[in-house]
Amino acid sequence: ETGVTQTPRHLVMGMTNKKSLKCEQHLGHNAMYWYKQSAKKPLELMFVYSLEERVENNSVPSRFSPECPNSSHLFLHLHTLQPEDSALYLCASSQDRVGLAGVTGELFFGEGSRLTVL
Amino acid sequence: TQLLEQSPQFLSIQEGENLTVYCNSSSVFSSLQWYRQEPGEGPVLLVTVVTGGEVKKLKRLTFQFGDARKDSSLHITAAQPGDTGLYLCAGAGNYGQNFVFGPGTRLSVLP
Repeated sequence: ETGVTQTPRHLVMGMTNKKSLKCEQHLGHNAMYWYKQSAKKPLELMFVYSLEERVENNSVPSRFSPECPNSSHLFLHLHTLQPEDSALYLCASSQDRVGLAGVTGELFFGEGSRLTVL
Repeated sequence: TQLLEQSPQFLSIQEGENLTVYCNSSSVFSSLQWYRQEPGEGPVLLVTVVTGGEVKKLKRLTFQFGDARKDSSLHITAAQPGDTGLYLCAGAGNYGQNFVFGPGTRLSVLP
């Protein structure tokens, strides 16, 4: 139990569906992240939110749309996905945003949402 | 772009053996972290190293940060089946780059 909860754990969707992934953190952290983990690539940072403001969008296609309504919740809205988008989507949080200008901190990950696009 | 490489990509050993996995880059990092990801779970932080040449021990795990802060190693003594998982290194750069992860070493410890 890391204090970061993701739902659903598994999701199968067609290319024309619209679905959402949800992440909730109970740690009082200020930063939240979406990562994509594929079989043949390192963990890829998709979005970063710091104090509910999106501060990073790593050239992610517009078919992925993040939403951060408050500091505890993060969503990833999905629509018209492609089969190559099938992956494990991991949510993480940290006390403050890590990585920028060498700032170090612990990332707390959820268990991930395994997405399959047919 | 700062990149991290990890070796070996896969490692399968018997319980009780020792092993070392490596994390390398051509870039300097202000700090490096090691995470372990078990099947069906997210990565969990094991250690953070910040000083060149630093050595940290966590029970049977020994972590070292290279003197030039471009590489790190993880040594496991007397591996156990519970050590099975994906070991990821991650680094924070000095020049505004984001936190980057290596591709990982997938370790399997057989009983």
